[in-house]
Amino acid sequence: DVKVTQSSRYLVKRTGEKVFLECVQDMDHENMFWYRQDPGLGLRLIYFSYDVKMKEKGDIPEGYSVSREKKERFSLILESASTNQTSMYLCASSWDTSGRAPNEQFFGPGTRLTVL
Amino acid sequence: GDSVTQMEGPVTLSEEAFLTINCTYTATGYPSLFWYVQYPGEGLQLLLKATKADDKGSNKGFEATYRKETTSFHLEKGSVQVSDSAVYFCALKKTSYDKVIFGPGTSLSVIP
Repeated sequence: DVKVTQSSRYLVKRTGEKVFLECVQDMDHENMFWYRQDPGLGLRLIYFSYDVKMKEKGDIPEGYSVSREKKERFSLILESASTNQTSMYLCASSWDTSGRAPNEQFFGPGTRLTVL
Repeated sequence: GDSVTQMEGPVTLSEEAFLTINCTYTATGYPSLFWYVQYPGEGLQLLLKATKADDKGSNKGFEATYRKETTSFHLEKGSVQVSDSAVYFCALKKTSYDKVIFGPGTSLSVIP
């Protein structure tokens, strides 16, 4: 089974702290994604990556950065956490299916981040 | 732009009732369509998918048929259980390099 793991299920940080959220997948997926999920707003894409050292902005990249130094690991960084970044963060990964029908994304269990 | 619309709920059903969650989409080309389910406190997991018109996806008693003429992918189950209580997301994706477009999610509660 594909497994996507996230470093923490729950995290509490203070305003202004630098926060690292780690995501690791074990199926050699090319593509990795970070979303945040908020009540009433659904899932919103923050950043994604189609290959090692590549990154693309999603719909709401402001206040975030990412790092992908190894294929299996995709990190989300909050440079200076703010209270409006309190949210559920979901990591996902998928295979590259260029030229064929796209397949599904596999999600991690999520990290519920609270910024005080 | 591309979009997915689904009934937001919450939907409350009694155990063994019939479930329909409507999903319609707007997209150019020929997207693949997905239903994801999110159980309380967990991430999303794929429930079923269909990659071309008239395909039927099915899993765990749930079914959905890709209807291009009505741009729909409605989720159905003949007899729901309490364990089906979750949030259900309809989604589309056109190519490997496109973003997944998610609907807003439909919360389902099944009561004994």
